Amino acid sequence: GAVVSQHPSRVICKSGTSVKIECRSLDFQATTMFWYRQFPKKSLMLMATSNEGSKATYEQGVEKDKFLINHASLTLSTLTVTSAHPEDSSFYICSAIGQEIIYGYTFGSGTRLTVV
Amino acid sequence: GQQLNQSPQSMFIQEGEDVSMNCTSSSIFNTWLWYKQEPGEGPVLLIALYKAGELTSNGRLTAQFGITRKDSFLNISASIPSDVGIYFCAGPGYNTDKLIFGTGTRLQVFP
Repeated sequence: GAVVSQHPSRVICKSGTSVKIECRSLDFQATTMFWYRQFPKKSLMLMATSNEGSKATYEQGVEKDKFLINHASLTLSTLTVTSAHPEDSSFYICSAIGQEIIYGYTFGSGTRLTVV
Repeated sequence: GQQLNQSPQSMFIQEGEDVSMNCTSSSIFNTWLWYKQEPGEGPVLLIALYKAGELTSNGRLTAQFGITRKDSFLNISASIPSDVGIYFCAGPGYNTDKLIFGTGTRLQVFP
């Protein structure tokens, strides 16, 4: 149990375009989903927390207009990188927790975004 | 804010050796989680610790929740090549669901 699916695993896009990344909880209802960014050889940096049906809470320094997060259902959260630039290239990872999983933070497999 | 520091930063060991890595914080954590991340993948939970002093094993892995609640260690016995990866400790911040990640320990195992 507790599987989180993230899609796509890799995406290359042109500067100025927008990219959507999906995070789905497959076998549980995710009351909260988290979005992380990871630079090469670095730890995971929390970008935002999203709760189903409400606005995401962004960490300090993360532009909410650049990184749009939608958590429309208990099994799906999306991260849209708007007007992407090369400096947005990174590894993005989501994780989810549900009420029936005590601190069972489950992570997606990540999305490698390359902006050219 | 709360921070988790891991040591060593990286380790290069021979297959069959035992490994020990540490995670420390200046503040108290009520839960410690140990994750392994392989290249191009998300972290995978290895061991979860919920009580001070708790010692938990998962196969060749053993982790302990420090009695002061400010540290934890992870041991890997008889390492094998597939143990290669980055090991992160993590814990929920004070009064929040947000996971704080440690700085990571990169493990390389040579046959």
